[in-house]
Formats: sequence, structure tokens, C-alpha cells
Amino acid sequence: DSGVTQTPKHLITATGQRVTLRCSPRSGDLSVYWYQQSLDQGLQFLIQYYNGEERAKGNILERFSAQQFPDLHSELNLSSLELGDSALYFCASSATSGGGVEQFFGPGTRLTVL
Amino acid sequence: AQSVTQLDSHVSVSEGTPVLLRCNYSSSYSPSLFWYVQHPNKGLQLLLKYTSAATLVKGINGFEAEFKKSETSFHLTKPSAHMSDAAEYFCVVSDPWAAGNKLTFGGGTRVLVKP
Repeated sequence: DSGVTQTPKHLITATGQRVTLRCSPRSGDLSVYWYQQSLDQGLQFLIQYYNGEERAKGNILERFSAQQFPDLHSELNLSSLELGDSALYFCASSATSGGGVEQFFGPGTRLTVL
Repeated sequence: AQSVTQLDSHVSVSEGTPVLLRCNYSSSYSPSLFWYVQHPNKGLQLLLKYTSAATLVKGINGFEAEFKKSETSFHLTKPSAHMSDAAEYFCVVSDPWAAGNKLTFGGGTRVLVKP
């Protein structure tokens, strides 16, 4: 158990809908990261927040947004969902914001868009 | 820009025999490198990391990896495979000088362990 929690574990929804994925980092970690794992794209970095501020951004679609709250939990919002958004979404956390630091991953949220 | 290539998408070994998972990286700086493992329906677990100290890195569960700058490689090995090693393994690169901590993943190597 990494100490990173994600809810829900599974999510099934329809095209065009909006969903929110939630992540709580390990105790004491200030950075939160979001990754998408799909069969065709593999594991891809979406976005990083550090102590409430956006720190790094990957190939995150404009339909996706994230935020980190004062209690350090984070939410990833996915809107206007398409079939291709079906994937496993991981949250990770680390103590600091800089590069080269290991990240601790949650169990993931499996999103299925029908 | 940074990238990672895992040279084998699948590796099959017999229990008790050595495991070799190959990884090459491309980076314009001296990178930090990691190996993560993902067991079925589980999250990712860190096996080991290289951050410019010793080139031979020991990790958990008997795994180790050797950083070879001249070959831009970071291959993962284990002398004797166990059934519990069946999983997918990811080689990962990160820029230790970046303000952010984006991890770039290889495509993964799925390991099958035969009894």
C-alpha cells in the first residue's frame, strides 16, 4: 500500500458526460500527479500540482482539468467524454516538486465510457 | 526531450532462471531513471531508482539494474525468477534539473514466469 488513495475504483459512464476523479496523496506529500494508462497510448503524464499550484503539464486535453485543494487532495475533471477516454487513471504523489524524485502511485480509477 | 524504449514487449522465463529486461533511454541531460512494476489490477510500485550515484542499483525483491551511459541503457535483472514476478515492468526517465517532475514511461515489458 503506497498511502495514495483514489476514488472511485471503477466508473462507467456515457459519451458526452462529465466525471470527477479524486486523489488523496501520501501524508506529507505536497506534489500530486495525474497519469492516463491506455492500451494504445501507454502510460502518459497529464499534469502536476505542487501545494495548490500547477507545476508541470503534459499532453492533457482541453476537455480535462485538474486542481489541488488546500488540504492537498486533488481532483481530475473529465468532460464531454469520448469512447477514447476509456482508460486507467493514476494519481501519484511525492514530497517535493522537482525532477528526479520517485513518485508513489495510487491503485487507479478505471474509467469506461460507453 | 526525453524518451524510453523497452526493447521487449514480452519476456517468458522459467521459474528459477535469470530475468533480463532491456531499456534504452534518450535524454539531453544526465537523467534519473526508475523501474516500476505493475501487478495485474494493481497500481505501480517502485522497484529501484538511479540518481547519478552508484551505477549498479539494487532494488526490492532481488532486482538490480545497471546504468551504462556509453550505451544509454538501464537494463533490469534478477538472478532467479519467482512466480510472483509475473507482472508488467516499466522503465521510466525523469529530468533531475526540471522544476516539475514529469515521468516518461517506456512501453512496458510483460513478464511471464513458467513453473
